Amino acid sequence: DVKVTQSSRYLVKRTGEKVFLECVQDMDHENMFWYRQDPGLGLRLIYFSYDVKMKEKGDIPEGYSVSREKKERFSLILESASTNQTSMYLCASFSAGRNTEAFFGQGTRLTVV
Amino acid sequence: GDSVTQMEGPVTLSEEAFLTINCTYTATGYPSLFWYVQYPGEGLQLLLKATKADDKGSNKGFEATYRKETTSFHLEKGSVQVSDSAVYFCALSRNAGNMLTFGGGTRLMVKP
Repeated sequence: DVKVTQSSRYLVKRTGEKVFLECVQDMDHENMFWYRQDPGLGLRLIYFSYDVKMKEKGDIPEGYSVSREKKERFSLILESASTNQTSMYLCASFSAGRNTEAFFGQGTRLTVV
Repeated sequence: GDSVTQMEGPVTLSEEAFLTINCTYTATGYPSLFWYVQYPGEGLQLLLKATKADDKGSNKGFEATYRKETTSFHLEKGSVQVSDSAVYFCALSRNAGNMLTFGGGTRLMVKP
């Protein structure tokens, strides 16, 4: 059974804290993505990575960074959490090639207080 | 840039009713089109897809046809069940990296 696993389902952090969201996939996929999901806005792409140590900005990268030191792991970092980063965060992975299916983790609901 | 527009919800139906969720897109070239479903407390999972014009994707009784002339990919099901209650996302993928552009999502609530 293929899996994308996010380290936490729920997280509460204080304003100004550095926050790490971890994502691990066991499918040997090249491509990994971080989205945030907000009501009425759908999913918006934060960052993505096509390979180890490679990263590209998505549509809303401000306030975030990422790390991909190993193929199976893609971390999202909030350098200094703010209340407007309270959201659901979803990690996804794809294999390379056209029209392949995306596999999503269960999501991390982050609340910044 | 690419965009996907889908009808706002929530959509509330009685069991065995007919479902349509509208989706239209804007993209250059020939994108692939997808419907993803998110059940309560879970991540998204692929429901169906279509990769070229006039293709019909189908799964679990759901269908959607890729209409290039109207840039649409409407989701339909002839008889919904309570277990179909979820949020449905229309999405497109245009580039080789398979980056998905999502619509805003439509919440479906099916009552017994």
